[in-house]
Amino acid sequence: GENVEQHPSTLSVQEGDSAVIKCTYSDSASNYFPWYKQELGKRPQLIIDIRSNVGEKKDQRIAVTLNKTAKHFSLHITETQPEDSAVYFCAASKGGSGNTGKLIFGQGTTLQVKP
Amino acid sequence: NAGVTQTPKFRILKIGQSMTLQCTQDMNHNYMYWYRQDPGMGLKLIYYSVGAGITDKGEVPNGYNVSRSTTEDFPLRLELAAPSQTSVYFCASSLRQAAGELFFGEGSRLTVL
Repeated sequence: GENVEQHPSTLSVQEGDSAVIKCTYSDSASNYFPWYKQELGKRPQLIIDIRSNVGEKKDQRIAVTLNKTAKHFSLHITETQPEDSAVYFCAASKGGSGNTGKLIFGQGTTLQVKP
Repeated sequence: NAGVTQTPKFRILKIGQSMTLQCTQDMNHNYMYWYRQDPGMGLKLIYYSVGAGITDKGEVPNGYNVSRSTTEDFPLRLELAAPSQTSVYFCASSLRQAAGELFFGEGSRLTVL
């Protein structure tokens, strides 16, 4: 089955710096790659996603890149702010007919943005 | 819409006891999931369902059971609770078969002593 590895497990940056979190996946048939943010004591919430027919997607200060050949994808946060402090999870799933769309998550990255 | 509602939010069980975590959603989503979250381990899929009457195992199904008699409800049953089942449990639902946003409940923190 699918396996998703996420690095680093913790990341500390100064406010205003950029943060990059990387994930690799094992199943070359996976074609949907979302990122979830979980604030302390809260539920995970989707922040951005990318499909396999796209190499990069941006939404304001966050961007995701996908390299299907290497089977890895990354989350980039620019101009970090203290409210970006949270746990970030990457995930992968297979879409299309006959697939359930079940998401397999990475282990999570705890991002701390220091003021 | 209330979204995905889980109960209870907190529960302490003794070893060997059984309980059911309730999950209901009012978004008419066909797809529902149960995840457990342990520190440093991410979210592990326990069971999932693609529609009423259909369930399947995820990554870590041992010690759990589910049922899906209606579109709205997807309860998770723990039989003979063990300390290894101490975790935070999240129920989630999605509209699309794949490549769709998961909507999570608030979570249920379970401690087995």
